[in-house]
Amino acid sequence: SQTIHQWPATLVQPVGSPLSLECTVEGTSNPNLYWYRQAAGRGLQLLFYSVGIGQISSEVPQNLSASRPQDRQFILSSKKLLLSDSGFYLCAGEPWGGYNEQFFGPGTRLTVL
Amino acid sequence: QKEVEQDPGPLSVPEGAIVSLNCTYSNSAFQYFMWYRQYSRKGPELLMYTYSSGNKEDGRFTAQVDKSSKYISLFIRDSQPSDSATYLCAMRKGGSEKLVFGKGTKLTVNP
Repeated sequence: SQTIHQWPATLVQPVGSPLSLECTVEGTSNPNLYWYRQAAGRGLQLLFYSVGIGQISSEVPQNLSASRPQDRQFILSSKKLLLSDSGFYLCAGEPWGGYNEQFFGPGTRLTVL
Repeated sequence: QKEVEQDPGPLSVPEGAIVSLNCTYSNSAFQYFMWYRQYSRKGPELLMYTYSSGNKEDGRFTAQVDKSSKYISLFIRDSQPSDSATYLCAMRKGGSEKLVFGKGTKLTVNP
């Protein structure tokens, strides 16, 4: 079975500080990978997705970026956090050939103060 | 008009009740329909997905799609307190890598 690991589970960061959230996938190769943000009352917002190493599609122009240095590793970064970056960040994966079977990690709750 | 609309609730029912959760959508290009369950402070988990209009059953859960009305439903029979969670509908256009999610409906099943 496929598993997504995310860390840390919670994070409190000051405004203007950098951010790096990492996501790794087990149990599948060549997955599509996704970063979502979930804010209260706003549902899941797709931030980035990747169909392969080094291939990143951005959905929302903002101060966040993503990278995929390895097949099963997906990283979300920021050089300077804003208050509005607070939220619940979820990494998701979709196995190669497993169309419509998107599975999620446990999430990272980020609070920017 | 948003692509996917979902009543956020909250919805509160007694144990054993039949629960009906619904989403509407505006874009007829959506071909695949999913339901996720999300417990508080956890990642969503896939419950069911369907492609064609009609019903799909899995245990106490039934997913229903009506493409002509652009309306999907999730029914939960014999609801249990452990079903208390937020339920998210999601949809996908053919050939797209992206899901579009509803905002979720928060369900509480009272013992």
